Amino acid sequence: AQSVTQPDIHITVSEGASLELRCNYSYGATPYLFWYVQSPGQGLQLLLKYFSGDTLVQGIKGFEAEFKRSQSSFNLRKPSVHWSDAAEYFCAVVRNNAGNMLTFGGGTRLMVKP
Amino acid sequence: NAGVTQTPKFQVLKTGQSMTLQCAQDMNHNSMYWYRQDPGMGLRLIYYSASEGTTDKGEVPNGYNVSRLNKREFSLRLESAAPSQTSVYFCASTPGGQPYEQYFGPGTRLTVT
Repeated sequence: AQSVTQPDIHITVSEGASLELRCNYSYGATPYLFWYVQSPGQGLQLLLKYFSGDTLVQGIKGFEAEFKRSQSSFNLRKPSVHWSDAAEYFCAVVRNNAGNMLTFGGGTRLMVKP
Repeated sequence: NAGVTQTPKFQVLKTGQSMTLQCAQDMNHNSMYWYRQDPGMGLRLIYYSASEGTTDKGEVPNGYNVSRLNKREFSLRLESAAPSQTSVYFCASTPGGQPYEQYFGPGTRLTVT
C-alpha cells in the first residue's frame, strides 16, 4: 500500500532561520510528488511538484524541494523563513491508477517565532 | 474566476440528520474530489469523479454518497450524520488525465452533535 509519512507534527523556527520539512513515501514506481500549504481557515495551495527530471524543484514563496529516490524522500526547504510562512504543510503522492488521486501525509504545523 | 467554491462554510447537525455539501468549479475541469481533513491524518479521499457521469469510492466512503450533477458540480451527501463525521470537508478539481495539481475549495466545517 502506498503511504506518505511526515515525521514532524510540529516545528518551530525563528524568523530568518532556515527550514526543512521532511517527507518520506513508500511507493513501488516513479512517484509524482507534491507539497501543499494550508493557512489557518483556508484551503490548500500548491507550493511545488515533482514529476521527473531535475530532482531539485523550485516552488512559490521561495520554497524548494529535493527528490531523493535512494531515501524515498521529498523534503521541503526554505533558506529564510518569514512570519507569514506559519501554516500547515502537506506532502502528497499521486496514485498510479485512474483518477489522479492524491495520498496525503499527516501534515506538519510550522510556527515562526519573532 | 472563482475557482472552486463550496457551500456552506459552516454547519452544525444533530445525529441522524441529513445534509448535502455543494461544490462547484468554473475551470472546466474533468475530475472532482471530496476529502475530509481530521487532525494528524492529513486529507483522506471520500469519493471522486474522474469525469462527468462517473463516480468512484475513495479511502473512506462509508456514510457518504455523491452526485456529479454536471461538469461543474459535485455534491456530497450525508444521509444520517454521525459524530464521527465531524470534520472539515474539502472539494477539489483537476483537469484530469495527467497528474495535474488539484485545486481546492475553502472547505466546509461540519460538526455533528
